[in-house]
Amino acid sequence: DIQMTQTPSSLSASVGDRVIITCRASQHISRYLNWYQQKSGRAPKLLIYAASSLQSGVPSRFSGSGSGTEFTLTISSLQPEDFATYYCQQSYNTPRTFGQGTKVEIK
Amino acid sequence: QGQLVQSGTEVKKPGASVRVSCKASGYTFITYGIIWVRQAPGQGLEWLGWISAYNGNRKYAEKIQDRVTMTTDTSTTTAYMDLRSLRSDDTAVYYCARVVSLSGTDAFDIWGQGTMVAVSS
Repeated sequence: DIQMTQTPSSLSASVGDRVIITCRASQHISRYLNWYQQKSGRAPKLLIYAASSLQSGVPSRFSGSGSGTEFTLTISSLQPEDFATYYCQQSYNTPRTFGQGTKVEIK
Repeated sequence: QGQLVQSGTEVKKPGASVRVSCKASGYTFITYGIIWVRQAPGQGLEWLGWISAYNGNRKYAEKIQDRVTMTTDTSTTTAYMDLRSLRSDDTAVYYCARVVSLSGTDAFDIWGQGTMVAVSS
């Protein structure tokens, strides 16, 4: 199975901050990487697919980059509604696997 | 746009079985696959398996493949996940999600609201 490792596991940030979350795959996965946002008690929501494509309806302050084994999710200017846990997920092979999550908290 | 609505909370004893349903609406059911994911309390997301609503092809996570069955009913546009021989570590929120093909890959773009399955003696 492909292991996905996110860093950091949690972070504290203020409204307006630029936030970067990293996801590393245990093997090459090309650009088969998706990002999800999950708020407490809610289902995950697709933000980014194929490493850098913004899902319809997602604000442009979210962006993704990377290929191969290293990927990043960037929030250019953190908003109050962005405080949540973020997960990366590889779609290169089965089983699909997720990172352990990065919790973004209010500073 | 599409929507997935799941069945309600289940409380089961160890060794029992559970069926979770996932009713799809607002899109052509057989055009997409369905995946099941679970989340234990305070933990991350675990992929359990995938089923094609078109032809019933399926793949399961090795960890639970001996205890799980995923099916679909195209007449009612509903997906089901049956999990047998429940253990305490099966306690989790179970989600279904639609699998969509995007830019040569796939992602999970519509999610059910989740079903809590609690296993306790």
